[in-house]
Amino acid sequence: QKEVEQNSGPLSVPEGAIASLNCTYSDRGSQSFFWYRQYSGKSPELIMSIYSNGDKEDGRFTAQLNKASQYVSLLIRDSQPSDSATYLCAVRRYGQNFVFGPGTRLSVLP
Amino acid sequence: DAGITQSPRHKVTETGTPVTLRCHQTENHRYMYWYRQDPGHGLRLIHYSYGVKDTDKGEVSDGYSVSRSKTEDFLLTLESATSSQTSVYFCAISESLGDYGYTFGSGTRLTVV
Repeated sequence: QKEVEQNSGPLSVPEGAIASLNCTYSDRGSQSFFWYRQYSGKSPELIMSIYSNGDKEDGRFTAQLNKASQYVSLLIRDSQPSDSATYLCAVRRYGQNFVFGPGTRLSVLP
Repeated sequence: DAGITQSPRHKVTETGTPVTLRCHQTENHRYMYWYRQDPGHGLRLIHYSYGVKDTDKGEVSDGYSVSRSKTEDFLLTLESATSSQTSVYFCAISESLGDYGYTFGSGTRLTVV
């Protein structure tokens, strides 16, 4: 079983819609959860972090964490074509290195 | 990416030749990492460093070695390149193993022919 799993996509949503990206993880001791965005041919860039159960909002982005169910999600409201990218979920136990998921490719259609 | 640079950006090399990739940071961060990224596998950790001369293996370290003689530089060496090492290599830095994310370099696209 992979440690961090994501649907590879592509996930296609129309412009202005809500994009929902999901990630599940196997290590119940995981404490830090991050979302990175990676444009084609570019390096990953950090967009959100979450550590506690519940929702965390930052602009059009909302991260949701449910440790009991071992999943973390990223919602993108009012999706724009510029949001088209691959989104990487990264999970970590405190004091250890990140484990990255394979990424979900998002395509926002004009 | 500000504060972290990788060189070269692209390289084509022949099977069996040694190759060294360089990562240079100006952030004075303690931790530095080398990842490779391949379709279907995502980012996989090769080696990391937690200080000058302090390094450790990641999940895909076979065929790779690293060195860190200065805080700002982290070198990744493929002793004898193989076609399976064709990949995009990313360097990353972080302040600590605490609640901080990584900052990634721009990547090196390596092709072994």
